[in-house]
Amino acid sequence: EVQLVQSGAEVKKPGESLKISCKGSGYRFTSYWIGWVRQMPGKGLEWMGIIYPGDSDTRYSPSFQGQVTISVDKSINTAHLQWSSLKASDTAMYYCTRGEYYLNYWGQGTLVTVSS
Amino acid sequence: IQLTQSPSSLSASVGDRVTITCRASQGITSYLAWYQQKPGKAPKLLIYATSTLQSGVSSRFSGSGSGTYFTLTISSLQPEDFATYYCQQHNSYPLTFGQGTRLEIK
Repeated sequence: EVQLVQSGAEVKKPGESLKISCKGSGYRFTSYWIGWVRQMPGKGLEWMGIIYPGDSDTRYSPSFQGQVTISVDKSINTAHLQWSSLKASDTAMYYCTRGEYYLNYWGQGTLVTVSS
Repeated sequence: IQLTQSPSSLSASVGDRVTITCRASQGITSYLAWYQQKPGKAPKLLIYATSTLQSGVSSRFSGSGSGTYFTLTISSLQPEDFATYYCQQHNSYPLTFGQGTRLEIK
């Protein structure tokens, strides 16, 4: 069974750094693109970017380029989304997804709250 | 590529047939997907490539369209279908979503 299991909820202060994770199982991790989708409170879905674990090829949405970093550790079948300096506007639910174009598997979501 | 869904919200009854529309700001051939999201849950892929039903999804759901105009139809609403629906184009990067259509019980 394909599963994407994300790390737990985080509460951070503005300016802090953060790295959240998404562990894939039940399939060949290096053969499928893993991406991230943001959902701000009460709002819609926004695609942030994707990475191919096989060679770490990464593509970002222009809206998120330079704001976040997507990486992967294929030795532990895990993708990461990280921020170097969080802002209050980063408060959102973040979902990891599997799929290069349409997203057929989703993680359970990681809620990130940024508040002073 | 911007996607505009209509309506933004919709009230319907169990057994009704409902249609949600998604318009793209430029042609995306047939590269459109639909997702269902229930409160507090991750979205679920229903349809991709306009009309291909994801494995395990009820045949009550169907999709059609091409170019810039697409529809999602639910043939006979069931209680579990009340949710928010999103379209997403998978023609080119960055992938983009519609703003969502909230389907409520009348």
